[in-house]
Amino acid sequence: DTAVSQTPKYLVTQMGNDKSIKCEQNLGHDTMYWYKQDSKKFLKIMFSYNNKELIINETVPNRFSPKSPDKAHLNLHINSLELGDSAVYFCASSRGHDLGNQPQHFGDGTRLSIL
Amino acid sequence: DAKTTQPPSMDCAEGRAANLPCNHSTISGNEYVYWYRQIHSQGPQYIIHGLKNNETNEMASLIITEDRKSSTLILPHATLRDTAVYYCIVRVVGFQKLVFGTGTRLLVSP
Repeated sequence: DTAVSQTPKYLVTQMGNDKSIKCEQNLGHDTMYWYKQDSKKFLKIMFSYNNKELIINETVPNRFSPKSPDKAHLNLHINSLELGDSAVYFCASSRGHDLGNQPQHFGDGTRLSIL
Repeated sequence: DAKTTQPPSMDCAEGRAANLPCNHSTISGNEYVYWYRQIHSQGPQYIIHGLKNNETNEMASLIITEDRKSSTLILPHATLRDTAVYYCIVRVVGFQKLVFGTGTRLLVSP
């Protein structure tokens, strides 16, 4: 019944590794997002996809590559992980990307720790 | 997006109403006011949003002043589970990005 689900919930890995985080939504939404929450608890958008098309890319390093195989899934692949990538990553979804009155629904986050 | 200002923290007794203020004096006519909250270790949870009129749902009420320069989120009967960081966000129609500030940390005590 989970609306927006992310896997894994926790990810501990070493610097330099490549890892992926998966997100799936069963709400029938056509827009999905990735947000990053750093250690100071600031939440900031990274990417937005609408119907598998990239809409927002907030000057995120190109080590981060989102991939949307279909509109219900948005995965985040990170190459050459760095210490500064340690954060909680949240996936979200909403109906329509050009409407201001559609709320976003968030997953419970993936806690990424780089050793 | 218009900037919002919220008090960093507030306290509320369990069972009482929690009134969380937000200033958004530079809001434009096509910007919605959204409220989200984040309970510790969870993802942000949508609460309510509005444009001009006051709004109410099963979670809360949103009161927007006539000039739209400020708003108040009201949790009518706060419970311990309402302890969270509450974010007031102004969002432009046609632009899906949510810009989170530092929010108000609400502590509900017995």
